[in-house]
Amino acid sequence: SQWGEENLQALSIQEGEDVTMNCSYKTYTTVVQWYRQKSGKGPAQLILIRSNEREKRSGRLRATLDTSSQSSSLSITGTLATDTAVYFCATDSSGSWQLIFGSGTQLTVMP
Amino acid sequence: AQTIHQWPVAEIKAVGSPLSLGCTIKGKSSPNLYWYWQATGGTLQQLFYSITVGQVESVVQLNLSASRPKDDQFILSTEKLLLSHSGFYLCAWSPGVSNERLFFGHGTKLSVL
Repeated sequence: SQWGEENLQALSIQEGEDVTMNCSYKTYTTVVQWYRQKSGKGPAQLILIRSNEREKRSGRLRATLDTSSQSSSLSITGTLATDTAVYFCATDSSGSWQLIFGSGTQLTVMP
Repeated sequence: AQTIHQWPVAEIKAVGSPLSLGCTIKGKSSPNLYWYWQATGGTLQQLFYSITVGQVESVVQLNLSASRPKDDQFILSTEKLLLSHSGFYLCAWSPGVSNERLFFGHGTKLSVL
């Protein structure tokens, strides 16, 4: 889980494996965004999931959202070495301009 | 296509010296603009946001200030740097009336010695 932890979590897997990263958030939200940040670069949004969607897919990515437990997950199937990056979830308080990022998961995919 | 440009790419500054970082967005009128700070190995902390020219809202106090002198420009500055200001500064923009997708620049790496 990303939220409420001070340190970046780390996962190391072999290319081709599937992986799931989790995120728990504190404030009420109707949208969870997932971003990927490669070393030395700015983050880029991967997927956005709304509270009425429970699950959303985009290519090899699958995001889930459980508003009752205030948690979200991001799964990547058939990982590639190029998926190596830090993955963040982000939420905002409804109607707020503050986008709050979780502590992140450092994913390393070994070829 | 919209582009976001941050400058400088990197800075090495002395404690107590002033700082000015900039960000320009091209190809998008009236973007929402954001400044984020990221410690090495850390998460992104939102510092400021601006919905319109001349108006900037502060999210956290880090002895920094921000201004939006033009629709496409966002400036982050301080008169006196602290060691704790070291890190990665990211400018971002979002379209429309929401922050449902932020587009980030490549960032500025700041080292305060």
